[in-house]
Amino acid sequence: QSALTQPASVSGSPGQSITVSCTGTSSDVGSQKLVSWYQHHPGEVPKVIIYEVNKRPSGISDRFSASRSGNTASLTISGLQAEDEADYYCCSYTPSKIYVFGTGTKVTVL
Amino acid sequence: QVQLVQSGAEVRKPGASVTVSCKASGYTYTTYFMHWARQAPGQGLEWMGVFKPSGNTGYAQKFQGRVILTRDTSTSTLYMDLSSLRPEDSAIYYCSREAPGSGVFDIWGQGTMVTVSA
Repeated sequence: QSALTQPASVSGSPGQSITVSCTGTSSDVGSQKLVSWYQHHPGEVPKVIIYEVNKRPSGISDRFSASRSGNTASLTISGLQAEDEADYYCCSYTPSKIYVFGTGTKVTVL
Repeated sequence: QVQLVQSGAEVRKPGASVTVSCKASGYTYTTYFMHWARQAPGQGLEWMGVFKPSGNTGYAQKFQGRVILTRDTSTSTLYMDLSSLRPEDSAIYYCSREAPGSGVFDIWGQGTMVTVSA
């Protein structure tokens, strides 16, 4: 099971919107209900910000949204803020009953 | 307070094995899936394996044959054993929990640094 493919970096200015993509296959991202996104600030532990493709856990800002088209999941951060600068990882369940993370995307707020 | 507390940093030589523990408290941990992931310096998160409430395990193909996950119910502690260590296994190792079927790793341990060096 190969890691899901994400862009290495995405940047944007405060207030702008950015989108992070996560490309897998028809067996994982393309068909699984259990696709999630994690925010990881250096020195901290990862935090779930999206689950089941496009649902937000309680307490997560509605500036975070997600969707899926074909074998690609996408995370959109709107109204970009300095605190959003972090690494972001997608994660998908697979037919082998295991999980796989994406390669990770460093989001930089200019 | 729901938390996962991991054991401290370890240093091993290539070819050796390491055991990292993850002690759960504040919830009935036997009803949750327990996952392990790692992050090598400058690299991304890498999912390693899962210990299920049934006692069954699942491992990423990359770690098959080198990693073993076990549980001590009496102490609410999960263990990750990684053998035949190589320098590229140097990483922070994390445990996390998942409510069965949720796909959400909602609580994470603080991480354990494992360094493999001659």
